[in-house]
Order: sequence, then C-alpha cells, then structure tokens
Amino acid sequence: GAVVSQHPSWVICKSGTSVKIECRSLDFQATTMFWYRQFPKQSLMLMATSNEGSKATYEQGVEKDKFLINHASLTLSTLTVTSAHPEDSSFYICSLIPHNNEQFFGPGTRLTVL
Amino acid sequence: GENVEQHPSTLSVQEGDSAVIKCTYSDSASNYFPWYKQELGKGPQLIIDIRSNVGEKKDQRIAVTLNKTAKHFSLHITETQPEDSAVYFCAASKNSGYALNFGKGTSLLVTP
Repeated sequence: GAVVSQHPSWVICKSGTSVKIECRSLDFQATTMFWYRQFPKQSLMLMATSNEGSKATYEQGVEKDKFLINHASLTLSTLTVTSAHPEDSSFYICSLIPHNNEQFFGPGTRLTVL
Repeated sequence: GENVEQHPSTLSVQEGDSAVIKCTYSDSASNYFPWYKQELGKGPQLIIDIRSNVGEKKDQRIAVTLNKTAKHFSLHITETQPEDSAVYFCAASKNSGYALNFGKGTSLLVTP
C-alpha cells in the first residue's frame, strides 16, 4: 500500500483565519489526490480532486474560493480553508490511488474553528 | 451519480460470533468495491476489496461477496474480536482514478 501523511493532525483556529492542511505521499508519486470531509458520525464526502500541475476539480456545492487546493508536486497537495467559520469544523482527509483503484487515506486533520 | 446504501448503521455482536454488513449500489458501471475500517480519530484503512469480475474474496477472518446482478456486496467477519470494534464503510467506484462513493458506515461493537 501507499503511505500518506497529513499535517497538522489537528488545528484550532479563530473564526476568520485561514488554515493550510498538507497531504504528502511518502512512497509514491501521485498525479491525483482526493480531499474528503467527514462530519462527526457521518460518512466521507468528496470535496475535490487535486491534479498535479493543473486546477482542482470541485464537487457540486463545494466553494472553490473557500477551499483552495494546490497540487504543486507529485508528492504534496495542500488544502487551505480560507476565512474559516465554525461550520467548517470537520475532519479533513486526503487520499491517493497508487495503482489498481486501491485508494489509501491519510490519517486526517481535525479542524476546530472557534 | 452513484448511490451506496449500507446496513445496518450499528451492529453489536459477542466475541467469537460473526458479523455481516451489507451494501447496495445503483450504478451498474461501478466495478470496484472496497471496504474500509475507521477507528476513532483516524483515517480509513483498506481491509479488503473486490472487483466486478470476482464473486467472492477472502482474507483470513474477513470475506467479501459481490452479486453484480442484484448490485449488492457484503462484508463478513468471522470469529470477531474486541479489536474489530470500529466503523466500517463500504464504497464503490468506476474505473481507475475515480473517487469513491461511500456508504454511511456501520458502527460495529464486539463485546467480550
């Protein structure tokens, strides 16, 4: 399988600030990474598909200007939550597909907006 | 788009018993069906998967079955142990590179 890391593992911020979450592929070069959001006791919902060297593809209902995605290299994708509000508090998880459809997830980042 | 239904939402079994979780999907083009285990505060971990050209797959105490005609697939855990307690998600996707559509999850509790 693939090893995926996320940083930070948790973050608390004030309303109105921006938060950057990093997703790194430690042993595989990923042209595509995915960002999911998971609210407490709910399933994972796809937010966007991050493509190396090009613009991300956002799911319906996800604001691209609020959730900025940068996939500048084959091993790093970042998600920046801009002007965060309490309703953005969630568990953010990235994933990638090394081969054969098998998708591996990072450990997640817990965001709490006060 | 794809719609994945998962049942039950909660399941409690005694240690040593079997646990079965069932999922249905709507898009006949889906051909990849993974199962994930998620422990509290962690990312999902792939535990087993099956592709549409296979009807059953087994890995030690875990097995998955797929009925393409009926568009449903199931996870079977035998000889359950307390450390099997977690939330289990089924998912479906189409061709390589596509994101996953997840079921709503099943919270499994294995009591000693």
